Amino acid sequence: GNSVTQMEGPVTLSEEAFLTINCTYTATGYPSLFWYVQYPGEGLQLLLKATKADDKGSNKGFEATYRKETTSFHLEKGSVQVSDSAVYFCALRPFTGGGNKLTFGTGTQLKVEL
Amino acid sequence: GAGVSQSPSNKVTEKGKDVELRCDPISGHTALYWYRQSLGQGLEFLIYFQGNSAPDKSGLPSDRFSAERTGGSVSTLTIQRTQQEDSAVYLCASSLEGINTGELFFGEGSRLTVL
Repeated sequence: GNSVTQMEGPVTLSEEAFLTINCTYTATGYPSLFWYVQYPGEGLQLLLKATKADDKGSNKGFEATYRKETTSFHLEKGSVQVSDSAVYFCALRPFTGGGNKLTFGTGTQLKVEL
Repeated sequence: GAGVSQSPSNKVTEKGKDVELRCDPISGHTALYWYRQSLGQGLEFLIYFQGNSAPDKSGLPSDRFSAERTGGSVSTLTIQRTQQEDSAVYLCASSLEGINTGELFFGEGSRLTVL
């Protein structure tokens, strides 16, 4: 079946540090890949996505590249801010079927300190 | 409404009681999803409604769990004879049917605590 594995948190960084949150997946065919973010007290929201191999999704300074050869979709940001403190979820949507039914990872909590 | 609305936001119940959780999706969104978020378990898919099609119930963990969607809009997730392991945050999301972009719009969730 489909699955997503994320690095465990919490990840604690100082402001302006470089961020990487690892995500790998298991799926047949060519799934679409996503990062969702959950800010404190809010619902999950889509951060970025990539739908085919070598695509790079980007938003709000965050980037992730769909690597088919390593089945990975690592999230990166060059300089984090305190406002980036949140829980980040990697997810996949199968290539066929299921509408927008997504398989999520366990989430990685990011804490950014001054 | 402007976003996905869920109620109650918090529910504390005793083991063995039944609970109902409500979700009001974004107007015009005909696809609706329920997920469960448990500590350390990530988001677990429960059930998916799309338009008039039969729901995908493949994620429901036991026959104590059921969900309905009335009039293609509001959905109710019912948990019968609650157990302590049912304690979690229950998330509802909606999306546009036929627009398979992977973008789900989530509510803030209903936190269920079973004592």
